[in-house]
Amino acid sequence: DAGITQSPRHKVTETGTPVTLRCHQTENHRYMYWYRQDPGHGLRLIHYSYGVKDTDKGEVSDGYSVSRSKTEDFLLTLESATSSQTSVYFCAISGTLNYGYTFGSGTRLTVV
Amino acid sequence: RKEVEQDPGPFNVPEGATVAFNCTYSNSASQSFFWYRQDCRKEPKLLMSVYSSGNEDGRFTAQLNRASQYISLLIRDSKLSDSATYLCVVNKPNSGYALNFGKGTSLLVTP
Repeated sequence: DAGITQSPRHKVTETGTPVTLRCHQTENHRYMYWYRQDPGHGLRLIHYSYGVKDTDKGEVSDGYSVSRSKTEDFLLTLESATSSQTSVYFCAISGTLNYGYTFGSGTRLTVV
Repeated sequence: RKEVEQDPGPFNVPEGATVAFNCTYSNSASQSFFWYRQDCRKEPKLLMSVYSSGNEDGRFTAQLNRASQYISLLIRDSKLSDSATYLCVVNKPNSGYALNFGKGTSLLVTP
């Protein structure tokens, strides 16, 4: 099942510090996504990528940036972490629309 | 109107029962539909795609009504291992295969 891995799995950071989460895939899929999941909100799209250096914003992109310099890696950066960004972050990959996504195991981020 | 709406539950059913979940979506241009399953503190996993003609996978049956913008999932002969949260998922048109997720319906199957 390991076509996609996220790192770190858990992180505690202080308010105001930058944080980078990594998503790595071995499936050579074109599309990659970052979601956050919070109680009462479900999964919400932060950013997505449709190719190397091609990214676009999702519905909750404020405070986040992404980069994709290689097909296999999609990085999510919190420029200056805030407590409201405490969440579980999931990366997902997709080759075609008909087959949905495969998710990574998630990163639990706590901002104190 | 939220893009994907589900009854959050929880649904508590005994083993062997049949249970149905419903979902509505707001964007009539959506073309792809899925049910995902998410266990506690785990990532969502694809349960099944939903096709216009309806489709079945073992004990699970999914239906789509495009006119009403309504999706359903039927689970027959529930097992304890079916306890999870079930997410209704619909694609976001014109956004690189991005998906909209419902907040999920919680199912607890009891002995």
